[in-house]
Amino acid sequence: DAMVIQNPRYQVTQFGKPVTLSCSQTLNHNVMYWYQQKSSQAPKLLFHYYDKDFNNEADTPDNFQSRRPNTSFCFLDIRSPGLGDAAMYLCATSGGRGRSYEQYFGPGTRLTVT
Amino acid sequence: GENVEQHPSTLSVQEGDSAVIKCTYSDSASNYFPWYKQELGKGPQLIIDIRSNVGEKKDQRIAVTLNKTAKHFSLHITETQPEDSAVYFCAASPSFGNEKLTFGTGTRLTIIP
Repeated sequence: DAMVIQNPRYQVTQFGKPVTLSCSQTLNHNVMYWYQQKSSQAPKLLFHYYDKDFNNEADTPDNFQSRRPNTSFCFLDIRSPGLGDAAMYLCATSGGRGRSYEQYFGPGTRLTVT
Repeated sequence: GENVEQHPSTLSVQEGDSAVIKCTYSDSASNYFPWYKQELGKGPQLIIDIRSNVGEKKDQRIAVTLNKTAKHFSLHITETQPEDSAVYFCAASPSFGNEKLTFGTGTRLTIIP
C-alpha cells in the first residue's frame, strides 16, 4: 500500500546532541511537510518542500533544518535539541498543483530530550 | 494570515447519539477544508474534506457542512460508536490543499458506551 513512513517511531536524544528524523513516501507526491505537535496541541508547520523548493515558516527556529535528497525521502535535522523540542514530529505529503490536494500524514516520531 | 477557531475543545456523547464540532475561519480566500481524526500515538488521518464550491458532503456516518458567507464549517458524526473516540482537527487552506493548512485547536471526542 502507498504510504508515508517515519523512522524511528520513538527517538531519545540528549540535550544539545544533534538528531535526525526521517520520512519516506511511496505516493510519488511532489510536496512533503514537517510538522511539530506538542501534547494536546494542533500540528504546527515547520517547513515544506515543493519538489526541491524549500519553504520555511517564518517562526521556525534556525535549530531546525531539513533535507530532501530525492522525491521519496525527507529528513528533519535538529542541530541542538533543547528540552522544549520534545514533541511528536509528523511528516505529511500531498500531490501538488494539478494533482490530489489531500495531505497524508505519517505515524509520527516521538522525540524525547533528556 | 488565516486563523481557525474550533469548538468545543472536549465533547462527550452517549453511544448512538450524534456529535457536532464547529470551526470558523478568518481568511475569505480559504477554499479547502479538511477534517482529521487523530488517535492516541498516531498521525492525523483525513476523514472527510470539502471545497468551497460545495455546501455539504456526506460519507456514511460523517458529514461536513460549509457556510462561506458566515465563514464556518462543521463536522457531523451520526450513530456514534466507541471507535469514534479520538481528537478531531479541522483545517483550512487558501489553495486546494497543495501548500499550507491552518489547523484548529482540536476537539477531544469521547463516546460513552
